[in-house]
Amino acid sequence: GEDVEQSLFLSVREGDSSVINCTYTDSSSTYLYWYKQEPGAGLQLLTYIFSNMDMKQDQRLTVLLNKKDKHLSLRIADTQTGDSAIYFCADPTGTASKLTFGTGTRLQVTL
Amino acid sequence: DVKVTQSSRYLVKRTGEKVFLECVQDMDHENMFWYRQDPGLGLRLIYFSYDVKMKEKGDIPEGYSVSREKKERFSLILESASTNQTSMYLCASSPTGKGSYNEQFFGPGTRLTVL
Repeated sequence: GEDVEQSLFLSVREGDSSVINCTYTDSSSTYLYWYKQEPGAGLQLLTYIFSNMDMKQDQRLTVLLNKKDKHLSLRIADTQTGDSAIYFCADPTGTASKLTFGTGTRLQVTL
Repeated sequence: DVKVTQSSRYLVKRTGEKVFLECVQDMDHENMFWYRQDPGLGLRLIYFSYDVKMKEKGDIPEGYSVSREKKERFSLILESASTNQTSMYLCASSPTGKGSYNEQFFGPGTRLTVL
């Protein structure tokens, strides 16, 4: 079945850039997603990228997509303490709008 | 404003009890989902429903059942709770008819502890 993998933990200093990586196996996806989960909350869509794009920039967020290697990354510029959260990449699977989520990367921002 | 609500934020139950987790969405979405979230395992799909009274098993349906009698409400049922069902449970919904774009909207989660 579909497999989506992420590293579990990333620690960065405030003001630095964060890069969260994701690999997926289903290459038929038209959209790929990044979700953010703040402590004690559900997931919220952070950004997404259409599969015919290599890069998408949205303020401090940059999404890079390498379809050949099935690799997706999320870069957060000038990381702030409010960016501390768990980040999930998600890849559509099969039918009925299902998504397969990665294991999540916990981002810790230190002062 | 888009809203998915779950009946409880925290729940403590005893082994063997029947447990009901309720989820309501006010966006008239066709699809609804139940996930469990465990550290290091991410989100795993338990069941989903793409219409009233329709349901399909996800990746880990064992020990769970679901009910969708109305479009806005999707219930997760633990027939006989066990300690390995201690977890965070997340409900989500999404519309159809958006082509291949399928953003899901999540509730705040229910942290269930089974003693």
